[in-house]
Amino acid sequence: EVQLVESGGDLVQPGGSLRLSCAASGFTFSDHYMDWVRQAPGKGLEWVGRARNRLHSYSTEYAPSVKGRFTVSRDDSRNSFYLQMNSLQTEDTAVYFCARGAFCTSSRCPGPFDYWGRGTLVTVSS
Amino acid sequence: DIQMTQFPSTLSASVGDRVTITCRASQSISGELAWYQQKPGKAPKVLIYDASSLESGVPSRFSGSRSGTEFTLTISSLQPGDFATYYCQQYNDYSLTFGGGTKVEIK
Repeated sequence: EVQLVESGGDLVQPGGSLRLSCAASGFTFSDHYMDWVRQAPGKGLEWVGRARNRLHSYSTEYAPSVKGRFTVSRDDSRNSFYLQMNSLQTEDTAVYFCARGAFCTSSRCPGPFDYWGRGTLVTVSS
Repeated sequence: DIQMTQFPSTLSASVGDRVTITCRASQSISGELAWYQQKPGKAPKVLIYDASSLESGVPSRFSGSRSGTEFTLTISSLQPGDFATYYCQQYNDYSLTFGGGTKVEIK
């Protein structure tokens, strides 16, 4: 059974940092892209960032709203995916979901998020 | 970035109704679009991918279609468990984007 479990959410002051983790199981982690998606209270879904797999040199992409402040990374040996968040702002307050992206063994791998974690809450407030 | 305009933002319907939700992309995304259903306090669940392919285990009353840059999710006969919020998402571009969501409420 595919499982994604996020952890690390907390209350943090503006300007602070936080690192989220996503523990994956039940599938071959190294074959998939992995993504972070967030949802502010009462708002819609916003894609945050992506880490591609080894075939694509673990390359990363970011939403414009977080580029330069957030960093995604992964450790295939631990089946884990991470989101390092720096210079946090009040508008970063949200539930952060880890999501499984495309299974990728070719040069281009478009695909939906077929499994999601339950999310972890990040609150940025003084 | 590709903008996804989703409408309506809210929809009131009754059990048994046929429901249609639309998403328009700001530029061509081929058919690289998914539809998700989200219930309060839960993670989203994929219903449709590649514009019209039904995800395994999803009831056949859900269907998707495409006309150019306009995409439609149709629920042929609304069931009690379908009252939720629906999102479209494009995965054509390096920067992925969601539509703003459509809340399907009980009329």
